[in-house]
Amino acid sequence: GENVEQHPSTLSVQEGDSAVIKCTYSDSASNYFPWYKQELGKGPQLIIDIRSNVGEKKDQRIAVTLNKTAKHFSLHITETQPEDSAVYFCAASISRQLTFGSGTQLTVLP
Amino acid sequence: DSGVTQTPKHLITATGQRVTLRCSPRSGDLSVYWYQQSLDQGLQFLIQYYNGEERAKGNILERFSAQQFPDLHSELNLSSLELGDSALYFCASSASGTGKNIQYFGAGTRLSVL
Repeated sequence: GENVEQHPSTLSVQEGDSAVIKCTYSDSASNYFPWYKQELGKGPQLIIDIRSNVGEKKDQRIAVTLNKTAKHFSLHITETQPEDSAVYFCAASISRQLTFGSGTQLTVLP
Repeated sequence: DSGVTQTPKHLITATGQRVTLRCSPRSGDLSVYWYQQSLDQGLQFLIQYYNGEERAKGNILERFSAQQFPDLHSELNLSSLELGDSALYFCASSASGTGKNIQYFGAGTRLSVL
């Protein structure tokens, strides 16, 4: 089955700096790659997603890039703010289920 | 608010017991997914139902079972509970049954087995 690896497991950045989280997947048939943000005591919330026919997607301060050849995708957050502090999960999907990475605890220091 | 409702929010029970977790999907969503989130294993897919029928199975134990009812709400039944079953259980819903559709997550049920 699909295996998704996510790095780093923890990331601390100064407010205003950029944060990058990277994921690799194992199954080249995966075609949908969402990113979720989970705040303490809440369920994961989709923040951005990308499909395999697209190399990059941007939504305000958040961008995701996908390299199908290398089977990796990354989340970029620019101009980080304290409210960006949360756990971020990447995921990969082939058809009916999402396989999640192990998560990255992002802390934005004021 | 994702529109997915899970009850109860917290559940405390003893080993050997049986519990039922309930999920109401977003209005119009036909597919329901169950996930287990534990500290050492992250988010693990358990099972998916689509319009009342089981569609996909993940790492779900034989002691666990689920169903989706005609009104599309779903229940996850956990029996013969063990200490290791303590975790957050999330339900997600999507419009259709394929992985390409966005999954919206509920707030979860925290299960503590003592």
